[in-house]
Amino acid sequence: DAKTTQPPSMDCAEGRAANLPCNHSTISGNEYVYWYRQIHSQGPQYIIHGLKNNETNEMASLIITEDRKSSTLILPHATLRDTAVYYCIVRVGYGGATNKLIFGTGTLLAVQP
Amino acid sequence: SQTIHQWPATLVQPVGSPLSLECTVEGTSNPNLYWYRQAAGRGLQLLFYSVGIGQISSEVPQNLSASRPQDRQFILSSKKLLLSDSGFYLCAWSGGTVSSGANVLTFGAGSRLTVL
Repeated sequence: DAKTTQPPSMDCAEGRAANLPCNHSTISGNEYVYWYRQIHSQGPQYIIHGLKNNETNEMASLIITEDRKSSTLILPHATLRDTAVYYCIVRVGYGGATNKLIFGTGTLLAVQP
Repeated sequence: SQTIHQWPATLVQPVGSPLSLECTVEGTSNPNLYWYRQAAGRGLQLLFYSVGIGQISSEVPQNLSASRPQDRQFILSSKKLLLSDSGFYLCAWSGGTVSSGANVLTFGAGSRLTVL
């Protein structure tokens, strides 16, 4: 699996956009970029995923560089409830035995009031 | 809609005692099922995954075992708990068929195990 590199922690002011970077320079052509987050003492929550194009949903936007070696998760208007550890994962989008996701250490995003 | 249930939510067990954590999924068939563990202050470690009844793959050697007696039931067990088995155990499921970005995992609420 391609490995990812994320900063261990980031701060963001409430109401501002939070931009969380992720480097995945060894990503393969068939590997997707997934983002999850884990609020303290809860199970991880899926946020968004993408392959090549930028993606947006009700939670966040995912910007993937043209060479696909890095990506940025954007929370457009961070709230205190967005304080969590954010995980960037790259994996093939197939089912079966290859469906397992390996989580790294992630980025602890602290939203400040 | 699909839901995942995991229990018990909290468990305090003495060293050497057995363990059984149960996870069930509703609203889907033939899911892929996973057990993860998170030690205090650490990241998520994949312990086991299953692509079908009776099919278990272990990711790391340990004092634990997993079983899948039914399509939507996944059980994590131990015969004799160790102190190092303490942690937050999470069950998850994903679709078992190929689809765009099929690796979307849905996690349960977790089971916090303290071994004393």
